[in-house]
Amino acid sequence: SAVISQKPSRDICQRGTSLTIQCQVDSQVTMMFWYRQQPGQSLTLIATANQGSEATYESGFVIDKFPISRPNLTFSTLTVSNMSPEDSSIYLCSVEAGIRGYTFGSGTRLTVV
Amino acid sequence: GENVEQHPSTLSVQEGDSAVIKCTYSDSASNYFPWYKQELGKRPQLIIDIRSNVGEKKDQRIAVTLNKTAKHFSLHITETQPEDSAVYFCAAPIYGQNFVFGPGTRLSVLP
Repeated sequence: SAVISQKPSRDICQRGTSLTIQCQVDSQVTMMFWYRQQPGQSLTLIATANQGSEATYESGFVIDKFPISRPNLTFSTLTVSNMSPEDSSIYLCSVEAGIRGYTFGSGTRLTVV
Repeated sequence: GENVEQHPSTLSVQEGDSAVIKCTYSDSASNYFPWYKQELGKRPQLIIDIRSNVGEKKDQRIAVTLNKTAKHFSLHITETQPEDSAVYFCAAPIYGQNFVFGPGTRLSVLP
């Protein structure tokens, strides 16, 4: 299955600033997914990123807050903009692992102070 | 929209006993059901999955059963070991595409 490199693994950021998270996949994939996992909670899909088109956002998530880039079939970035303490979470990217579900990146643990 | 419920939210078992976690889903068109294990501080890892054309699948101590009529599927872990302690998430696809994850079950295996 695909191997995903995600960085940074963690960061502590000041409120009002932005952080860009990167995911690099070792193979070409059509769709990449960005999830948020708040402390002690399940995974919530933020958006789906397709190469060559705008990302599709889930209810409750907007492009101005979470802009996404997908410049090619192996790379994507998620930016968390104008951060507040409520944005403190783990952010994970994910891709389809062939016929067997999804593979996740190692996650980015974000703390906003 | 798609809703995935998962029970119990926490589960404690003695080492060597079995553990069962159940998920229900709402979209009758869902046809693929994975289970993920997430250890503390780590990414979710796929541990077993099942497609709608079979009712049961086993992989050593882990099995998944599916009841399409009732729209539920269950994870079974036998002969539990301390390293099975983790949070387990089920998932089901929305309209055959994006997954909705269950709220998770925190399993503790007591030595």
